[in-house]
Amino acid sequence: AQSVTQPDIHITVSEGASLELRCNYSYGATPYLFWYVQSPGQGLQLLLKYFSGDTLVQGIKGFEAEFKRSQSSFNLRKPSVHWSDAAEYFCAVVLGYSSASKIIFGSGTRLSIRP
Amino acid sequence: GAVVSQHPSRVICKSGTSVKIECRSLDFQATTMFWYRQFPKQSLMLMATSNEGSKATYEQGVEKDKFLINHASLTLSTLTVTSAHPEDSSFYICSANGGGGTEAFFGQGTRLTVV
Repeated sequence: AQSVTQPDIHITVSEGASLELRCNYSYGATPYLFWYVQSPGQGLQLLLKYFSGDTLVQGIKGFEAEFKRSQSSFNLRKPSVHWSDAAEYFCAVVLGYSSASKIIFGSGTRLSIRP
Repeated sequence: GAVVSQHPSRVICKSGTSVKIECRSLDFQATTMFWYRQFPKQSLMLMATSNEGSKATYEQGVEKDKFLINHASLTLSTLTVTSAHPEDSSFYICSANGGGGTEAFFGQGTRLTVV
């Protein structure tokens, strides 16, 4: 069955340090991949997405992610985190591509920032 | 970008009553919308796919008589939690795929508390 795994439940990094959040997927073909961020009590905001082409994608707020087919991974990175980056991060895949396509979410990684 | 508006953002109701949550696509038409439920510190779980003009498709384990979904127009889907109980307390989020299906847009979420 298709699945998305985020192995890290909670990560704490110091402000200004680099960040990498892990995401692995299980799917027969290359899915469409996304990273979303959610602040407490809020909806989800799209950080970036990968459909095809260049495997390193740039997103908003200084985030980037790299698709590695051989590892079935789509890890999110940021070279220097800010206190405002503290939030919940979800990796997600879309199966197929249409207005009716379902999104499957990973379990999420909570990011805390150490002053 | 496309906007999905969800209302109300927060609701408290008594056990046994019903609560309706609205999800509107403000600047695009959505033949399909999705309803998710999110427990504290957990990921989003897809409850059902709302189809304009036809019956919703529910995920396994979701009671369709408990969570009534109506998608009467191309811009509005509603989720009614019937005979609510405290265990129905949760964060409910809707989404719709816009941009020709290239991106999912999420509502702000509704915090339901059943007392």
